[in-house]
Amino acid sequence: EAQVTQNPRYLITVTGKKLTVTCSQNMNHEYMSWYRQDPGLGLRQIYYSMNVEVTDKGDVPEGYKVSRKEKRNFPLILESPSPNQTSLYFCASSLVPGQGAKNIQYFGAGTRLSVL
Amino acid sequence: KQEVTQIPAALSVPEGENLVLNCSFTDSAIYNLQWFRQDPGKGLTSLLLIQSSQREQTSGRLNASLDKSSGRSTLYIAASQPGDSATYLCAVRSNDYKLSFGAGTTVTVRA
Repeated sequence: EAQVTQNPRYLITVTGKKLTVTCSQNMNHEYMSWYRQDPGLGLRQIYYSMNVEVTDKGDVPEGYKVSRKEKRNFPLILESPSPNQTSLYFCASSLVPGQGAKNIQYFGAGTRLSVL
Repeated sequence: KQEVTQIPAALSVPEGENLVLNCSFTDSAIYNLQWFRQDPGKGLTSLLLIQSSQREQTSGRLNASLDKSSGRSTLYIAASQPGDSATYLCAVRSNDYKLSFGAGTTVTVRA
């Protein structure tokens, strides 16, 4: 079954304690991205990656890091979380635009993060 | 920067009525447009994807149109059912590969 898997689904942490949210996809997609969803603001892109070792900033990258060492994995790292990073986070993957296929975005189930 | 707007923000209709959800975007240089459904506390499920060269896509009771020159897309849901109650999100993929989302329209279908 085609899927994007995020872990953990729920996380409560304290300010300054480094954390990593993992994301894995089994569809051999080149394109992966992270979003945060906040009430009234909708989904905003944090980082995206076009392929292994290629990452770019989205609209709200401050306070986040990503890495893409393998095609299937795209972890989101918060080196020093702060309360304003409390949000619902989604990982997504798709084929790269221009490959002649419908690059439908597939989303993970989300990670609800609370930073105290 | 691509701005995506969805109107209305919320919609409540009786069962059986047709739904019309609107999405507008500011930059017509898009690669495609995708409609998603999101249930409370859940992830996003893709409903329809329209390539920039297409005018519409259909899937069952759902039909989405795209007018790229005017920066508009409309999602039609025929004969609504209570199970259609959810938030519907419009997302535009620009030619720089970024995906920009609208804030969504929350639909309630009353039995």
